[in-house]
Amino acid sequence: AQSVTQLGSHVSVSEGALVLLRCNYSSSVPPYLFWYVQYPNQGLQLLLKYTSAATLVKGINGFEAEFKKSETSFHLTKPSAHMSDAAEYFCAVSRGGGADGLTFGKGTHLIIQP
Amino acid sequence: GAVVSQHPSWVICKSGTSVKIECRSLDFQATTMFWYRQFPKQSLMLMATSNEGSKATYEQGVEKDKFLINHASLTLSTLTVTSAHPEDSSFYICSARLAGVADTQYFGPGTRLTVL
Repeated sequence: AQSVTQLGSHVSVSEGALVLLRCNYSSSVPPYLFWYVQYPNQGLQLLLKYTSAATLVKGINGFEAEFKKSETSFHLTKPSAHMSDAAEYFCAVSRGGGADGLTFGKGTHLIIQP
Repeated sequence: GAVVSQHPSWVICKSGTSVKIECRSLDFQATTMFWYRQFPKQSLMLMATSNEGSKATYEQGVEKDKFLINHASLTLSTLTVTSAHPEDSSFYICSARLAGVADTQYFGPGTRLTVL
């Protein structure tokens, strides 16, 4: 079975500071991993995905994530936070082979301080 | 491209009535669609997988007779909440998998259901 743990339900950073959102996964098969962002009253938007290619994945809006098998982690980072980054972020793992439904973490609410 | 819509965006109904939610892939064909449920300030939980032309596969604990799913075409899947009760109030979100691209799902904006 697959599972995802996101450490920190809320993360607050200053504008211009580094953003680090943590995600650890558990998977019985080689995982497909995803980060999604959800703005208030909107659907989920894909930020980036890991599908067994390069371990450092670059996404939209300056975000990137590194897949570390030894640590079973897939943390999301952005060098410099912008006010528009304030949103809910979800890490997810595919049930199997990327073609199945997703198991989501509980989400991390990112707060940007001016 | 790859836009998924849901209708309605919100609905309020009386207890005991049925509500239908539509999920459409607007500019691509989706052989597989997924239905998720999101409780307030919580994560998304997969309810069922819907494949075009076949019966949906439900996750453990999801009542298939209560949450009827129909995927009649490559661009439309519907979720009907039958005999709705207040505990069914939630945010329902669908996603569609692009045919031929196994690892990417596109999510709809969600439907807020409130059962009085």
